[in-house]
Amino acid sequence: ETGVTQTPRHLVMGMTNKKSLKCEQHLGHNAMYWYKQSAKKPLELMFVYSLEERVENNSVPSRFSPECPNSSHLFLHLHTLQPEDSALYLCASSQDRGTGELFFGEGSRLTVL
Amino acid sequence: QQQVKQSPQSLIVQKGGIPIINCAYENTAFDYFPWYQQFPGKGPALLIAIRPDVSEKKEGRFTISFNKSAKQFSLHIMDSQPGDSATYFCAATFYSGGYQKVTFGIGTKLQVIP
Repeated sequence: ETGVTQTPRHLVMGMTNKKSLKCEQHLGHNAMYWYKQSAKKPLELMFVYSLEERVENNSVPSRFSPECPNSSHLFLHLHTLQPEDSALYLCASSQDRGTGELFFGEGSRLTVL
Repeated sequence: QQQVKQSPQSLIVQKGGIPIINCAYENTAFDYFPWYQQFPGKGPALLIAIRPDVSEKKEGRFTISFNKSAKQFSLHIMDSQPGDSATYFCAATFYSGGYQKVTFGIGTKLQVIP
């Protein structure tokens, strides 16, 4: 596989469920990102990991919990979400001191009932 | 100061027309200005990008014009095609602390009608 792969592509969960989103990058990058994409809003940065260390946490509610076990994998653990958390969650990666380009996965469409 | 203002939010043009999308920024620390294209059900993908020491960059039918003094940049799509129908995001970025600090515009939904 190449690029950035996200699973699952679609997820429906109740407000009391616990689920996880997974991201895997095959590009040899050392920075990975979680973004939230909602209609009529700019992409919102949630978390950044550089060399497996969390370097940014953009005031995200604690019901979202990231995990980066190695430079190729990134998880977003979800628990007790709210309906307003329904959105497309995008994972991206970039090369340290690279061109500035982000490489995005296709996203996980989350619906919270 | 971190905002990137993008307009219009939606645009409809006929095939062969030249849609133009405009963006403006404030932070002079930005040193890379990419445009991303996103099709429904897909993640954004880099379309074209420019550095602030260049006033124009052209790749195929896509051109970025950059005005450093005005802190504005724009995307032109020449001879637009129905396959160009997508959402376009401008962005401004700089590298700091081991990663790219990226600020995105709100996006422009482009529809090219045959």
